[in-house]
Amino acid sequence: AQSVTQLDSQVPVFEEAPVELRCNYSSSVSVYLFWYVQYPNQGLQLLLKYLSGSTLVKGINGFEAEFNKSQTSFHLRKPSVHISDTAEYFCAVSVVYNQGGKLIFGQGTELSVKP
Amino acid sequence: DSGVTQTPKHLITATGQRVTLRCSPRSGDLSVYWYQQSLDQGLQFLIQYYNGEERAKGNILERFSAQQFPDLHSELNLSSLELGDSALYFCASSPRLAGGGQFFGPGTRLTVL
Repeated sequence: AQSVTQLDSQVPVFEEAPVELRCNYSSSVSVYLFWYVQYPNQGLQLLLKYLSGSTLVKGINGFEAEFNKSQTSFHLRKPSVHISDTAEYFCAVSVVYNQGGKLIFGQGTELSVKP
Repeated sequence: DSGVTQTPKHLITATGQRVTLRCSPRSGDLSVYWYQQSLDQGLQFLIQYYNGEERAKGNILERFSAQQFPDLHSELNLSSLELGDSALYFCASSPRLAGGGQFFGPGTRLTVL
């Protein structure tokens, strides 16, 4: 069965420092991977996605992620964070059935950017 | 703004009651998904509809039901509410049957007292 593990529940970092949010997945079939961001009291916004092709995926707000099949990882990175990046980040894998599909989410990583 | 709308934004009700949450997908999207977000369970998939038909089911309680109408909007009905049903309920939509990305609405926060 597919699953997603986000290795850090909280990541504190200073403004302008680099950050990496770690995500490992388990899947026995073709993998579609996503990162979403949730700002306080808001819905989830799609940051980036990996469906196929290049393993380095660029998203919005300067974020990027690298798909690593051998390590079953999809870590999210940003070279220099801003205060406004403070939010919860969710890694997700798409599970596809013959009849439909769903997203399985990790537990979330709370990114806290300090001045 | 994802283009997915949900109403109401907040809902406060009592145990044993029934409520209906409404979702309008992005223009052109045929798939609608419902998710529940709570502190102890995280984000959990409930159910998917595609062009009016139920296509995938997750950890949805028997007290909960959903449907998608011909104009593609969807409703999630929650009945015999319990305190533990208090959560954020998200609707998402996508153009495809499966795979790809899903676009989430702002959510409905349900509080059961």
